[in-house]
Amino acid sequence: QLQLQESGPGLVKPSETLSLTCTVSGGSISSSGHFWSWIRQPPGKGLEWIGSVDNSGSTSYSPSLKSRLTMSVDTSRKHFSLKLTSVTAADTAVYYCARPKTLYYDRSGFYYVWVNWGHGHLVTVSS
Amino acid sequence: DVVMTQSPDSLAVSVGETATISCKSNQSLLHSSNNENFLGWYQQKGGQPPNLLIYWASTRQSGVPDRFSGSGSGTDFTLTISSLQAEDVAVYYCQQYYTSPPTFGQGTKLEIK
Repeated sequence: QLQLQESGPGLVKPSETLSLTCTVSGGSISSSGHFWSWIRQPPGKGLEWIGSVDNSGSTSYSPSLKSRLTMSVDTSRKHFSLKLTSVTAADTAVYYCARPKTLYYDRSGFYYVWVNWGHGHLVTVSS
Repeated sequence: DVVMTQSPDSLAVSVGETATISCKSNQSLLHSSNNENFLGWYQQKGGQPPNLLIYWASTRQSGVPDRFSGSGSGTDFTLTISSLQAEDVAVYYCQQYYTSPPTFGQGTKLEIK
């Protein structure tokens, strides 16, 4: 059974870089058509898609975060990563990694929902 | 971005009764290529990640009890939970995957009356 586990610092100072890793077990990270994703949830608030990366390293980012965001995948280590620069208190959230279920694809891209989720990792931005 | 708006923000329903949650999008989620609505529903219990309940607006994910059902088309969608059980207490989110970025509704908190 596929399992995802987030890891990284729980506290990041303002203006610094938030770095998280998601380790995949019980399944292949190299399969094509999977868009390994990050989704976040500020305390007591709703869900926000951050971005996705496929096994070739092709990325898709939220426009609101794109200028600060880098995602990558390391198939040899079976993990994918997130880096978010110049963080502020607004970036305080539980960060989830997730694997989607691709439902459809066409010339415009892939369309998916998220089936497998990590437990989530709280990152607090504070000095 | 496609804006998803859920109503109500919270509701309390008695065990055994039916809960109904609405989700509206500011543009149609009906894709002409396959005539499907690109809309999903998730359940999030306290301290847990979301759990996919429904996709294509009305298709239940494997393992989801049949008391959960989805309906609607275009811009108006509904999640119905029949014969409500205590374990259904959670926050429910709709999500569109019609266009990038995928976006979620603000959530509806369901409690037991």
